[in-house]
Amino acid sequence: DAKTTQPNSMESNEEEPVHLPCNHSTISGTDYIHWYRQLPSQGPEYVIHGLTSNVNNRMASLAIAEDRKSSTLILHRATLRDAAVYYCILRGSGGSNYKLTFGKGTLLTVNP
Amino acid sequence: NAGVTQTPKFRILKIGQSMTLQCTQDMNHNYMYWYRQDPGMGLKLIYYSVGAGITDKGEVPNGYNVSRSTTEDFPLRLELAAPSQTSVYFCASSSQVTITGNYGYTFGSGTRLTVV
Repeated sequence: DAKTTQPNSMESNEEEPVHLPCNHSTISGTDYIHWYRQLPSQGPEYVIHGLTSNVNNRMASLAIAEDRKSSTLILHRATLRDAAVYYCILRGSGGSNYKLTFGKGTLLTVNP
Repeated sequence: NAGVTQTPKFRILKIGQSMTLQCTQDMNHNYMYWYRQDPGMGLKLIYYSVGAGITDKGEVPNGYNVSRSTTEDFPLRLELAAPSQTSVYFCASSSQVTITGNYGYTFGSGTRLTVV
């Protein structure tokens, strides 16, 4: 599986935007970029995913570099409830590529 | 719609005891998974199943067993509990097919197990 590199931790202030980076220099052409987050004492939950184009949903935006070697998860206005560990995961399409492989992720702290 | 339900939420076991962690999903997902998460670490895959009657080992299967007799249920069995199995266990399920690249991965809320 192609690997991802994320900072161990980041800090933000409430109501400010947060940009969480992820490097994936060995990404293959069919790998989707997925983001999951894990709130304290809960299981991970899906945030967003994309292949080549930038993506928006009600939770966040995903900005994908043109060469796809990096991506950024954008929380437009962080709230205290966004404090969590954020995981950037590459997942191939089709075949046996249905398993998610988790790294350590980025621990996001949101200050009031 | 309950999603993925895990029981129990907490359990303390003595060394050498056995127990079964229960997991059930109501989304008709074919794929189910068991992960463990040690403090400060990411999740590691223990076992997974692609359908009833089919299971396979993940990254850290030693000390565990699974079965998949129905689409809905995927129990995880610990036969001889050891302190190294103290962890939080998450069950998850996902769809077999996708159009958008999102397989609808859904996690349970976890079982916190302590072996003393």
